[in-house]
Amino acid sequence: EAGVTQSPTHLIKTRGQQATLRCSPISGHTSVYWYQQALGLGLQFLLWYDEGEERNRGNFPPRFSGRQFPNYSSELNVNALELEDSALYLCASSLVIRTDTQYFGPGTRLTVL
Amino acid sequence: SQKIEQNSEALNIQEGKTATLTCNYTNYSPAYLQWYRQDPGRGPVFLLLIRENEKEKRKERLKVTFDTTLKQSLFHITASQPADSATYLCALGGRASGGSYIPTFGRGTSLIVHP
Repeated sequence: EAGVTQSPTHLIKTRGQQATLRCSPISGHTSVYWYQQALGLGLQFLLWYDEGEERNRGNFPPRFSGRQFPNYSSELNVNALELEDSALYLCASSLVIRTDTQYFGPGTRLTVL
Repeated sequence: SQKIEQNSEALNIQEGKTATLTCNYTNYSPAYLQWYRQDPGRGPVFLLLIRENEKEKRKERLKVTFDTTLKQSLFHITASQPADSATYLCALGGRASGGSYIPTFGRGTSLIVHP
């Protein structure tokens, strides 16, 4: 069974540009989560989607947005990129939010120059 | 506000010894606690989950304890091997303030096992 996949692996952008990151969850998982992990910091929760709806949002500005498609894959968009947006962006999926484990993808390394 | 503390200093131990990592938390009443392993530049990998009504859980060389009175979890790796070298994250989930059920992660502790 395939795990969570993310694309691209690496993404280099310049300040002010937009970045689009993609995630495909494990087959059968309906919940997708996005996290930001800046160098030396813990995972910071960004967004949670379930059944196509945004269920919860972390403490990030509105230029971080996303969506979940009918096949449960998800997209994270970051507008007006800033240097401090450089980080590893991790996507995770799960079956049931309260008790199931989150399965993480390999991440997308975003570098903003 | 909720706070999860993991030792920021790397833990260096000799191969074959038991590694013990600590996770302390405040202002939180988690329904469960999880431990993950993360290798550099990779996503975290789930290791163990322990619920609030459980005191201890084991899986192969791994053991987790959960003391909701002390608000602390201990993560043990017995007979450690160099391949166990990684960063270990603790995450708390459940009845967080505001009703959110999103797990909150600690910053992790780096474990280095020397041959």
